[in-house]
Amino acid sequence: GQQLNQSPQSMFIQEGEDVSMNCTSSSIFNTWLWYKQDPGEGPVLLIALYKAGELTSNGRLTAQFGITRKDSFLNISASIPSDVGIYFCAGQLGNQGGKLIFGQGTELSVKP
Amino acid sequence: ETGVTQSPTHLIKTRGQQVTLRCSSQSGHNTVSWYQQALGQGPQFIFQYYREEENGRGNFPPRFSGLQFPNYSSELNVNALELDDSALYLCASSSGTSGSTLAKNIQYFGAGTRLSVL
Repeated sequence: GQQLNQSPQSMFIQEGEDVSMNCTSSSIFNTWLWYKQDPGEGPVLLIALYKAGELTSNGRLTAQFGITRKDSFLNISASIPSDVGIYFCAGQLGNQGGKLIFGQGTELSVKP
Repeated sequence: ETGVTQSPTHLIKTRGQQVTLRCSSQSGHNTVSWYQQALGQGPQFIFQYYREEENGRGNFPPRFSGLQFPNYSSELNVNALELDDSALYLCASSSGTSGSTLAKNIQYFGAGTRLSVL
């Protein structure tokens, strides 16, 4: 199935470090979304981006919608142990009924 | 808590059997989307229902079918189960569809149903 290219696949960092992950696509999207998924749970929305170039923050999280509309990044500053989980980017085309195309995920591990 | 509830949480079936998964959407939402998430992968879009009609379908065979009810809850049915159907099945609800403002298309996920096919 169709997926976005998300990198890195996994990260092992020390508590307090900053984290950056990104997502690229060959297709243009109208909306970029970042979700976090904990074991045994569904994805939880972190940030939604609606406009090319948009930079949005949610606490220690910052995400940007790329100018070309084909990429996005997510930064987490001053990581803490509860940041552990799998982060997914997702692109959405408004004219396809809201279908989401997901990346493969970035698994984040934080060492206290 | 997203307000999206799925049942059952876990299910074990054998190859060739049929299964029905259920989803209750968040209050005020009229659109339900279903996704299949294989282990170690991102979710893959199966289909979406808007006001009881199918409104978009991913690359899944016809043995994957669905329903949406007047209260906007939904069912996913899978016939003739195959081993590769083993996955986490996620339901997401939203308040819009194509043509709506982008914010209304934001999808909120339930915790999923873990299906194992033996």
